[in-house]
Amino acid sequence: QSALTQEASVSGTVGQKVTLSCSGNNSNIGAYAVGWYQQISHGAPKTVMFGDSLPSGIPDRFSGSKSGTTASLTISGLQPEDEADYYCSTWDYSLNVWVFGGGTKLTVL
Amino acid sequence: QVQLVESGGGVVQPGGSLRLSCAASGFTFSGYGMHWIRQAPGKGLEWVAYIWYDGTNQYYADSVKGRLTVSRDNSKNTLYLQLSSLRGDDTAVYYCVQGPRGKSWFSIWGQGTLVTVSS
Repeated sequence: QSALTQEASVSGTVGQKVTLSCSGNNSNIGAYAVGWYQQISHGAPKTVMFGDSLPSGIPDRFSGSKSGTTASLTISGLQPEDEADYYCSTWDYSLNVWVFGGGTKLTVL
Repeated sequence: QVQLVESGGGVVQPGGSLRLSCAASGFTFSGYGMHWIRQAPGKGLEWVAYIWYDGTNQYYADSVKGRLTVSRDNSKNTLYLQLSSLRGDDTAVYYCVQGPRGKSWFSIWGQGTLVTVSS
């Protein structure tokens, strides 16, 4: 199983706000910023958030936050093109590896 | 623009070897750490290896340690992954990914190259 825990699936309607979560522990999420990666239809992943910062070109309806050992990715004003798999990841200093969550399949109804 | 282009994937027999390449352009390659991340068919993302900006240090996932070797040639703006003693569970799309120095996240992803281990 994955070192980080994500919901298997989340759904929402167009215009709705949805939040995806990513839970870890003090050696990973509790200590480092989390990256979020969007993968549409099994294409190449794309970075949509690092920490609470947006990469260039990513719409500002995406936002990121962290509380303790849980990180969140919020999409405000869900759009059809947001339907994708989303993965979280960060460094783990006790394992000395980068770790991923198992991914969340976001469906836009 | 920033671009990462992988090549070298293909079909290889169990126990065989393969070398993947990743050509970087649009940024100062020697200023960034670089990762390889893979995705088996129908599965999630798995981090494989990381190499420092100057090539002096490497990190590996336990599942590939001793069998996969990451290297780079900064004069050619190219990242490599040498795969050996390949097994069926190494079958995956391998992505070359830019890693900002000292940061815990990944930035730019390549399009990936498929490695299939099969007899």
